[in-house]
Amino acid sequence: DTGVSQDPRHKITKRGQNVTFRCDPISEHNRLYWYRQTLGQGPEFLTYFQNEAQLEKSRLLSDRFSAERPKGSFSTLEIQRTEQGDSAMYLCASSLSRPRWNSPLHFGNGTRLTVT
Amino acid sequence: AQKVTQAQTEISVVEKEDVTLDCVYETRDTTYYLFWYKQPPSGELVFLIRRNSFDEQNEISGRYSWNFQKSTSSFNFTITASQVVDSAVYFCALMGGGADGLTFGKGTHLIIQP
Repeated sequence: DTGVSQDPRHKITKRGQNVTFRCDPISEHNRLYWYRQTLGQGPEFLTYFQNEAQLEKSRLLSDRFSAERPKGSFSTLEIQRTEQGDSAMYLCASSLSRPRWNSPLHFGNGTRLTVT
Repeated sequence: AQKVTQAQTEISVVEKEDVTLDCVYETRDTTYYLFWYKQPPSGELVFLIRRNSFDEQNEISGRYSWNFQKSTSSFNFTITASQVVDSAVYFCALMGGGADGLTFGKGTHLIIQP
């Protein structure tokens, strides 16, 4: 079990540029979640996948955001035309079908995005 | 709508003191799950505990204990004989029976002074 892996750890981009983040979940986990965390706040749910199907999206996920999980394994989160308000830590988590006693959400270390 | 309130923004205690972190939640679901996560300075969210809404039995794990009371919609977390390594931000979170995302509180920053 290598845990949830996110890449890159840090990303600095200029306003208006597109960025893409990658998440590799724990291998046997079929659910994958994306969260966003700003300074001094708790993580906010963005979206989640059951295998390759995107089952729920938060209202926080504007049309500039798109997430994919093409083969039900790794996932990508793309932000188009970045804005300064997009600066945050983007967290990925994975779990089995529904959190059970031995299957809570396991989080990665996150990707910290800074939009200048 | 679901909501988690952690009224304590920051708590500072001296090592070896006991400390309780409060969590109050709101949900219309009859089945739901409550969680506590720890976020040390390194940034990774570390899972501590999960409780089901139909199981109000309190739990103890080493120096950690949790008090779940449905009557007051609270799920408080106590650290006994705190240590400097306990310093972190602690998040309480809720998942409803029909929803699939965790709703987090704003977190409590716990500072344990040596």
